Amino acid sequence: DTGVSQDPRHKITKRGQNVTFRCDPISEHNRLYWYRQTLGQGPEFLTYFQNEAQLEKSRLLSDRFSAERPKGSFSTLEIQRTEQGDSAMYLCASSLSEVQSGNTIYFGEGSWLTVV
Amino acid sequence: SQQGEEDPQALSIQEGENATMNCSYKTSINNLQWYRQNSGRGLVHLILIRSNEREKHSGRLRVTLDTSKKSSSLLITASRAADTASYFCASGLGSNYKLTFGKGTLLTVNP
Repeated sequence: DTGVSQDPRHKITKRGQNVTFRCDPISEHNRLYWYRQTLGQGPEFLTYFQNEAQLEKSRLLSDRFSAERPKGSFSTLEIQRTEQGDSAMYLCASSLSEVQSGNTIYFGEGSWLTVV
Repeated sequence: SQQGEEDPQALSIQEGENATMNCSYKTSINNLQWYRQNSGRGLVHLILIRSNEREKHSGRLRVTLDTSKKSSSLLITASRAADTASYFCASGLGSNYKLTFGKGTLLTVNP
């Protein structure tokens, strides 16, 4: 258990429905990241927060995706009007700010999304 | 584009043997991290090596880094069946430091 919690662990939804995932990072970590991973691939960066500010979003993050970190603690990732191509594992990670100097990025167990 | 590319894509060995996985990357890095992922689970951090380090050990793990060749290797000694997993290297650059992963090496350790 790394200390990064994700909920729910599994979600099956019908195409067109909205889903929301929650991430609770390690408490003292001010950086929070979202990644997506499909079968047989490595994780792909989606977005990251420094405290409550969303500083970067990947082009993978279409306008159906929105992420928030309202108080700089937990974060939510919402997918609207889900499509079958959204089926993947959504991974949350957190770290202290100064990653480039050697702080580790810790991942949660992921949230599996299946769109049927 | 992928920053980390692991090689081989799959490796099958017997328990007790050593396993070596390689990683190549394309641009300059601040540091490089290795992760393990059991099937259907999240990523577990194994080891971080800074760009000014050449070798690092942690238990049965040994990581090397050659910045001139833009490559790293992960050695697992005396492998166990429980080491069966996918292994990823990941690196980032700059203050945003978003990690970029390859497809990983799937290691199977046969008992």
